[in-house]
Amino acid sequence: DGGITQSPKYLFRKEGQNVTLSCEQNLNHDAMYWYRQDPGQGLRLIYYSQIVNDFQKGDIAEGYSVSREKKESFPLTVTSAQKNPTAFYLCASSIRLGTSGRGRNIQYFGAGTRLSVL
Amino acid sequence: RKEVEQDPGPFNVPEGATVAFNCTYSNSASQSFFWYRQDCRKEPKLLMSVYSSGNEDGRFTAQLNRASQYISLLIRDSKLSDSATYLCVVDQTGANNLFFGTGTRLTVIP
Repeated sequence: DGGITQSPKYLFRKEGQNVTLSCEQNLNHDAMYWYRQDPGQGLRLIYYSQIVNDFQKGDIAEGYSVSREKKESFPLTVTSAQKNPTAFYLCASSIRLGTSGRGRNIQYFGAGTRLSVL
Repeated sequence: RKEVEQDPGPFNVPEGATVAFNCTYSNSASQSFFWYRQDCRKEPKLLMSVYSSGNEDGRFTAQLNRASQYISLLIRDSKLSDSATYLCVVDQTGANNLFFGTGTRLTVIP
């Protein structure tokens, strides 16, 4: 089945610990994204990557890091510098339909990881 | 000002009712528009794209008003299974990411 797989589904972080959230896609999409969702709030962009070995900060990148060594994989590390990490983390990948980069950017999401602090 | 704004609701409607949500966007350069559906504690899923001429998919109708910079979603003959949060999403030409509204929560009551 084609899709986006996030793991683990639930994750607990201890004080001062770094944790890594996995995101894998087999849709052959070039672009991948990480969002954070807090209760009652919209999705906020953490990092995105348009191509392998390249990524850009989103609106709330502080305390997070990413890598994009393979097209299929875009792991997110929540570092100890992120003081309020409890949230629902969503990974997405996208295909831009149409030509010349002006087509519709359709994003598809993984099932998410819920991160809590112990 | 937020890129995308929605009434958070909640909208509580009886089965069979017609309900409409609006969403406004701030950037007139926005090119593509979508409605996503998000069930409680689940990921968002694409419900439908919104085209300039308006478009319909079964009981769902989406419309775009560029002059007033808003999009709408109309749900006819509401079902219990329509209960969810509906996210308005906007894509700007040249931007590398989508802008998500905070969502409008719908509960369909038996």
